[in-house]
Amino acid sequence: GENVEQHPSTLSVQEGDSAVIKCTYSDSASNYFPWYKQELGKRPQLIIDIRSNVGEKKDQRIAVTLNKTAKHFSLHITETQPEDSAVYFCAASISTGNQFYFGTGTSLTVIP
Amino acid sequence: GAVVSQHPSWVICKSGTSVKIECRSLDFQATTMFWYRQFPKQSLMLMATSNEGSKATYEQGVEKDKFLINHASLTLSTLTVTSAHPEDSSFYICSAIGRVQETQYFGPGTRLLVL
Repeated sequence: GENVEQHPSTLSVQEGDSAVIKCTYSDSASNYFPWYKQELGKRPQLIIDIRSNVGEKKDQRIAVTLNKTAKHFSLHITETQPEDSAVYFCAASISTGNQFYFGTGTSLTVIP
Repeated sequence: GAVVSQHPSWVICKSGTSVKIECRSLDFQATTMFWYRQFPKQSLMLMATSNEGSKATYEQGVEKDKFLINHASLTLSTLTVTSAHPEDSSFYICSAIGRVQETQYFGPGTRLLVL
């Protein structure tokens, strides 16, 4: 089955700096890669997603890149703000209706 | 759109009792619902996949007789933790997807504490 690895497990950045979280996956059939932000005790919220027919997607300060050949995808947050502090999860799926295989999460702390 | 609710948000029960958690899609018909378990500071662990009108598919290592899942309608799935024990204490989250949604949407989660 699919195996998703996520690094780093913790990340601290100064406010205004960029943060990058990386994930790798094992199943070449995976073609949908969402990223979720989860604040303590709350539900995961979709922040951005990308499909395998696209190499990059951007939404304001957030961007995701995908390298299908290398089977890795990354989340980039620019101009970080304290409210970006949360746990971020990547996931991989062979389609949106199938199960998601989640990474182990990255705890991001943005220091004011 | 694509709102998913869960009830209750918190439950505390005695060991040996059963607890039912409801997951509802409020503004769409959920053809598939997923149930996850999350321990503190850990990732989401898929427990089972539930399709409306059919039996749930459980992940390896999840006891189907202990975690009963019912998906009787396109807007409601229930997870019943039978004969709960302290080790069942966890954060349970459901997600749902319908025919027009492009991704899964998560419920707010239910925190279960078994004494």
